[in-house]
Amino acid sequence: DAGITQSPRHKVTETGTPVTLRCHQTENHRYMYWYRQDPGHGLRLIHYSYGVKDTDKGEVSDGYSVSRSKTEDFLLTLESATSSQTSVYFCAIGVAGGGLYNEQFFGPGTRLTVL
Amino acid sequence: AQSVTQPDIHITVSEGASLELRCNYSYGATPYLFWYVQSPGQGLQLLLKYFSGDTLVQGIKGFEAEFKRSQSSFNLRKPSVHWSDAAEYFCAYFSSGSARQLTFGSGTQLTVLP
Repeated sequence: DAGITQSPRHKVTETGTPVTLRCHQTENHRYMYWYRQDPGHGLRLIHYSYGVKDTDKGEVSDGYSVSRSKTEDFLLTLESATSSQTSVYFCAIGVAGGGLYNEQFFGPGTRLTVL
Repeated sequence: AQSVTQPDIHITVSEGASLELRCNYSYGATPYLFWYVQSPGQGLQLLLKYFSGDTLVQGIKGFEAEFKRSQSSFNLRKPSVHWSDAAEYFCAYFSSGSARQLTFGSGTQLTVLP
């Protein structure tokens, strides 16, 4: 158990409302990630963080922002949710594995539906 | 651009039969390659990984994968499938750039018939 929790696990919201998803780790791993999973696309990286207040964009970052004010928490915000953001969102932590490699462990996911 | 391709969207096998799931990668250097499994409603679990060295790697749950540079492939195999293996399987490679991120294939859904 990598000690990753995500909240909420399920959420239904309406178009145009802001939504924040939380990822929490019980250890002090430097790298944290947000992915979204959609049929036919596998998992795609939204944003990642390499330390407190250090974040950067992934391949599908439009419409999303992130914040990391504490090592253990990584927040994903949809400023104004759209139906295209209906998806399952996974958080992951990167555990250093030697050199530049880190092994990623995934949280249980958050299913978000935007009506 | 670097990419991972899983040509088979859905595979159906009978319990006890052998299994091979295909994965092809497009990457200049020797990649770090992974197979993950996702059971329904669950997160992803790492099955096995390849960094370098022996091209046949063993993983959990009786799975193995073989790295073939000449074919740019990293296929996942299991000699005898169990009903509990029904899940979605993802191939991925690790990029050691600033993001240190995983890039995933689109996944292969495995159905196991009794």
